[in-house]
Amino acid sequence: GQQVMQIPQYQHVQEGEDFTTYCNSSTTLSNIQWYKQRPGGHPVFLIQLVKSGEVKKQKRLTFQFGEAKKNSSLHITATQTTDVGTYFCAGRSNDYKLSFGAGTTVTVRA
Amino acid sequence: DTEVTQTPKHLVMGMTNKKSLKCEQHMGHRAMYWYKQKAKKPPELMFVYSYEKLSINESVPSRFSPECPNSSLLNLHLHALQPEDSALYLCASSQSLAGGHNEQFFGPGTRLTVL
Repeated sequence: GQQVMQIPQYQHVQEGEDFTTYCNSSTTLSNIQWYKQRPGGHPVFLIQLVKSGEVKKQKRLTFQFGEAKKNSSLHITATQTTDVGTYFCAGRSNDYKLSFGAGTTVTVRA
Repeated sequence: DTEVTQTPKHLVMGMTNKKSLKCEQHMGHRAMYWYKQKAKKPPELMFVYSYEKLSINESVPSRFSPECPNSSLLNLHLHALQPEDSALYLCASSQSLAGGHNEQFFGPGTRLTVL
């Protein structure tokens, strides 16, 4: 079955620094979605990427979808304490299921 | 209303108990989902309903029984659970299963403990 790998599992970031989390699928995806889960909370939808090579920005967050539609990345610039949480990518294939990556848990040093 | 609600927030049950988890959305979404999430793990899909019909069952044990009474409600009936079933149970909904608008809205979850 489809697998989505996500790295790194943990990211400890100094406030103000940038970081990137990466996702890789074993199969071509129809789209990829990103979710954020705060500690003690539930996943909240951030964005969906559909087109090959697509890049979308949300303030300090930049999302990319690879040309082959098998990989994606989330880059956060100037990390703030509000960025704390776990970021999941979720790849969608033709069977309508979302396969979640393992998540990147972000902690921020003030 | 852009919210998915779930009750109860917390549930403690014995292995011989029967209980139900409830989920409700009023966004007009026609796809609804049950996920199980263990600590420090991603959500794991259990069931998907589309237009009130069960579309996907991810080989979930029969001690979990889903039900979709109408387009706004989704239940998960629990019976004879095991301690390893303790987890956060998340409900989600999306506009539809197919099509471009399939981002999922998650409820706050029910934290289940099986003794």
